[in-house]
Amino acid sequence: AQKITQTQPGMFVQEKEAVTLDCTYDTSDQSYGLFWYKQPSSGEMIFLIYQGSYDEQNATEGRYSLNFQKARKSANLVISASQLGDSAMYFCAMSRFGNEKLTFGTGTRLTIIP
Amino acid sequence: DAEITQSPRHKITETGRQVTLACHQTWNHNNMFWYRQDLGHGLRLIHYSYGVQDTNKGEVSDGYSVSRSNTEDLPLTLESAASSQTSVYFCASSTDRDRLREQYFGPGTRLTVT
Repeated sequence: AQKITQTQPGMFVQEKEAVTLDCTYDTSDQSYGLFWYKQPSSGEMIFLIYQGSYDEQNATEGRYSLNFQKARKSANLVISASQLGDSAMYFCAMSRFGNEKLTFGTGTRLTIIP
Repeated sequence: DAEITQSPRHKITETGRQVTLACHQTWNHNNMFWYRQDLGHGLRLIHYSYGVQDTNKGEVSDGYSVSRSNTEDLPLTLESAASSQTSVYFCASSTDRDRLREQYFGPGTRLTVT
């Protein structure tokens, strides 16, 4: 079984600072994918970034990067130069290749302070 | 543009009634999923389908059913609604043709069972 743990229920960060959202996972699978989704107050789920278990380089998408440490089973999301619009709920999730269902963590509520 | 839609967006029903939530996607994706979101639990998988006539139970499937008669639709039925099924329901879809297994989410349905 897969498990995702997000230990930060809430975070407050000053605008323009970088922020790291923690995610650890547990799985016995060798091939898997790790995802981060953003959920603003409007409720929709927005895909941010993806990392495959065999990818040697950390994934990056604009201001988002995923700090993937396979041996430690962590997949932290780093947001550089935070903006007010980054205030939202952030979910870490994983799936097994060939079995596409996602297992989600409980989320981290990020609030950006002007 | 391709999209995934859910209807209704809001629903109030009484305990014991049968309720069906609709999900329709125009991505031509084989994989479709239903999740529920509750405070403190993140998103949990209810049912999923990898193609027409294929359905599978997820983590929290008791009291729910799905059917897949075509590629575009995966309706979720609550056989006899219970107050514990008050939640926000998300439908999602993904392709199995690409390496990136990103799931595209619908806007969600807020269901209240009184």
